Amino acid sequence: DIVMTQSPDSLAVSLGERATINCKSSQSLLYSSNNKNYLAWYQHKPGQPPRLLFYWASTRASGVPDRFSGSGSGTDFALTISSLQAEDVAVYYCQEYFSTPMYTFGQGTKLEIK
Amino acid sequence: EVQAVESGGGLVQPGGSLRLSCVASGISFSSYWMSWVRQAPGKGLEWVANIKQDGSEQHYVDSVKGRFTISRDNAKNILYLQMNSLRAEDTAIYYCARDELWLRYWGQGTKVTVSS
Repeated sequence: DIVMTQSPDSLAVSLGERATINCKSSQSLLYSSNNKNYLAWYQHKPGQPPRLLFYWASTRASGVPDRFSGSGSGTDFALTISSLQAEDVAVYYCQEYFSTPMYTFGQGTKLEIK
Repeated sequence: EVQAVESGGGLVQPGGSLRLSCVASGISFSSYWMSWVRQAPGKGLEWVANIKQDGSEQHYVDSVKGRFTISRDNAKNILYLQMNSLRAEDTAIYYCARDELWLRYWGQGTKVTVSS
């Protein structure tokens, strides 16, 4: 089974500063036949359902602000917020779908304002 | 309008059963796999189960195999999760979501509490 490990578990960043969340998989998520990384990112705020941010590791979902970016390949991935806004406070999760049709989430990273 | 609304959660004793429903609209329900995902109190997201467009294929996380059954009614745009032999560790908010490999459209969730 693929294990997804996020770091850090929690992060406090000042408004306007950069925030980076890392996600590491126990095996490569890069599928050689299509050269795509089978990884998604979600934002989850209290009392709301999770929101898809990225799929294929770096393809931004509809409506996601461009201050958010997804990067990485193989086993190491990152979600970056270039200039943190107050509304970005949330828990962020990576999810692998290389094991499709079964999936695994990372444990989550809680992002707060410093 | 894109919408998915879960229902059927509640308080149940250990060993009991519940059936969750997810009524979908505006998400081309019958054309996509659908998934259930849960979040236990103070914990992260956990994928629980999914089902193919025509219902011919279902998959489950190991911890619910043999106890939970996912099904769907494409004529009514409803996704179900039958949960039997419930345990305290099944206590969670359960979400349905459209499954495209990634999970794009999510419902608001329904809360299940397993306790005596």
